[in-house]
Amino acid sequence: DAKTTQPPSMDCAEGRAANLPCNHSTISGNEYVYWYRQIHSQGPQYIIHGLKNNETNEMASLIITEDRKSSTLILPHATLRDTAVYYCIVRGNTPLVFGKGTRLSVIA
Amino acid sequence: NAGVMQNPRHLVRRRGQEARLRCSPMKGHSHVYWYRQLPEEGLKFMVYLQKENIIDESGMPKERFSAEFPKEGPSILRIQQVVRGDSAAYFCASSPADRAYEQYFGPGTRLTVT
Repeated sequence: DAKTTQPPSMDCAEGRAANLPCNHSTISGNEYVYWYRQIHSQGPQYIIHGLKNNETNEMASLIITEDRKSSTLILPHATLRDTAVYYCIVRGNTPLVFGKGTRLSVIA
Repeated sequence: NAGVMQNPRHLVRRRGQEARLRCSPMKGHSHVYWYRQLPEEGLKFMVYLQKENIIDESGMPKERFSAEFPKEGPSILRIQQVVRGDSAAYFCASSPADRAYEQYFGPGTRLTVT
């Protein structure tokens, strides 16, 4: 599976959009981009996934660049409850591999 | 975390005892995954099971650890002769058969070995 690179931490003001970047320059054609988050001490929560088209659901939007080498998770109106570690995972046929993720702090 | 149940939520064992962790997947999910999270570290994959089959156990320690997902009942992660280094949060996830990588996690079992 392709390796991913995420900033270790980010801050976001409550009510603003949180844009979390992820680089995955070695991604293969059949590998999906998955995003999960882990709120302190809880089990990870699936957010969204995509292959090459942008995706949106009730939680977030996923923007994947045309060359698929990077993506951005967008939380349109961040709330304090969105404070968590966000994991970008690129996978093909092997189990999910969680890296260190980005620790997002939403500030009032 | 909707629907995946794990018990117990907290488990304390003395060194040398056995620990049994249970996971009931979401209704309709036939795939179960176990992960371990050591304090201040990320989640590490341990094992992937379908009913009565171990599909991938590449993350399981070679000794003392075993997992099963019987035809009836919950999935069990069993740790024999626990040591202090086994203290961690153990998370179970489940997925539907046709979306095997869209995993839904339980609340975890926190194992403390004294």
